[in-house]
Amino acid sequence: DQQVKQNSPSLSVQEGRISILNCDYTNSMFDYFLWYKKYPAEGPTFLISISSIKDKNEDGRFTVFLNKSAKHLSLHIVPSQPGDSAVYFCAASAEASGTYKYIFGTGTRLKVLA
Amino acid sequence: DAGITQSPRHKVTETGTPVTLRCHQTENHRYMYWYRQDPGHGLRLIHYSYGVKDTDKGEVSDGYSVSRSKTEDFLLTLESATSSQTSVYFCAISESPVTEAFFGQGTRLTVV
Repeated sequence: DQQVKQNSPSLSVQEGRISILNCDYTNSMFDYFLWYKKYPAEGPTFLISISSIKDKNEDGRFTVFLNKSAKHLSLHIVPSQPGDSAVYFCAASAEASGTYKYIFGTGTRLKVLA
Repeated sequence: DAGITQSPRHKVTETGTPVTLRCHQTENHRYMYWYRQDPGHGLRLIHYSYGVKDTDKGEVSDGYSVSRSKTEDFLLTLESATSSQTSVYFCAISESPVTEAFFGQGTRLTVV
């Protein structure tokens, strides 16, 4: 059973426009959420995170929004750049439950068109 | 970049042979993880460790075992490799589950 879901396998956006990547989760015990970016033949790299006590976190062009009631988070990239073309994974963890693992979604491939 | 090294980076092995992948860190992080990445499945957790000699199973642990005898090394063993274990394997480390995890460069394993 997939606890973290990314329902859009791919997304194409024009350079300079906003990219919105979505992620849903089912486990209400999750209390920390992360986004990673992955280029081919490289390991995933951390992008931005958010704790369940917040509903928004910003870092430069990247903003993550968390809607706990809907069990939904999203990553906004503004403005999108060709170098943002990569696979994006969302992940969740649940320290409060005493487990120590990150559960990842299946990824969304973002293509930013020049 | 976080000091995390995976070895080997590429390996081809035959069905039925044992294989061990190594993850080495220089960050002294408590938590270490092994994931596999497959098309359509994203990153799936195989096993993880929350301290020396403390390990637990992840989502897809069948056919895999791990050991962590010291903080810096986390070994993943495929006891008898099968073609379904052809994948890219990533090791990750973190200070805690509520901080970011850092990933290694990956090991591409092909079982023929």
